[in-house]
Amino acid sequence: GAGVSQSPSNKVTEKGKDVELRCDPISGHTALYWYRQSLGQGLEFLIYFQGNSAPDKSGLPSDRFSAERTGGSVSTLTIQRTQQEDSAVYLCASSPIISEETQYFGPGTRLLVL
Amino acid sequence: SQKIEQNSEALNIQEGKTATLTCNYTNYSPAYLQWYRQDPGRGPVFLLLIRENEKEKRKERLKVTFDTTLKQSLFHITASQPADSATYLCALDETGGFKTIFGAGTRLFVKA
Repeated sequence: GAGVSQSPSNKVTEKGKDVELRCDPISGHTALYWYRQSLGQGLEFLIYFQGNSAPDKSGLPSDRFSAERTGGSVSTLTIQRTQQEDSAVYLCASSPIISEETQYFGPGTRLLVL
Repeated sequence: SQKIEQNSEALNIQEGKTATLTCNYTNYSPAYLQWYRQDPGRGPVFLLLIRENEKEKRKERLKVTFDTTLKQSLFHITASQPADSATYLCALDETGGFKTIFGAGTRLFVKA
């Protein structure tokens, strides 16, 4: 595709439900990143993938958060038992290789937990 | 503790003037620093990257400076236009791409 795409663009869910957020990186990009952006806050780094491997998961806020990447392409961020404080914009970015400085961002998924 | 700080107050300037945004950091030794633009409802878009051994970088109406002694980067937009109105984020990386840390951004409004 021409750029990074994310789905859904908006998600409203009830507290306690599980949600899955999807990211399709730019074709051929081996590095993939997930961030969270709360209102008025900077981007909070969550996790990165090099290929299908996630060497550092320390940025995930709690064990309710998990992410996977398959085939070196699509990635899914899963939040289990959602809480109201999970409400934020979840942004995905990709870059050609992990040492490539510039990241290309998707439009984000706006998650609202009621 | 490590911090990356941008002015949280919005910057309002008149069209045609130069906008200057500031990014300060503490307790980091970044290999490079980047500036991104973010429009409402959109993801950030990369603008410029400056490395630790560079003092200044330019691209069209944009100029970035990087002072590793002051631990500060300045981002300038000359001849500003209303279309430049957006939030500008600075980001730094110590690890060579593994973990980029973003500031909260500064909102710029350019009035016609």
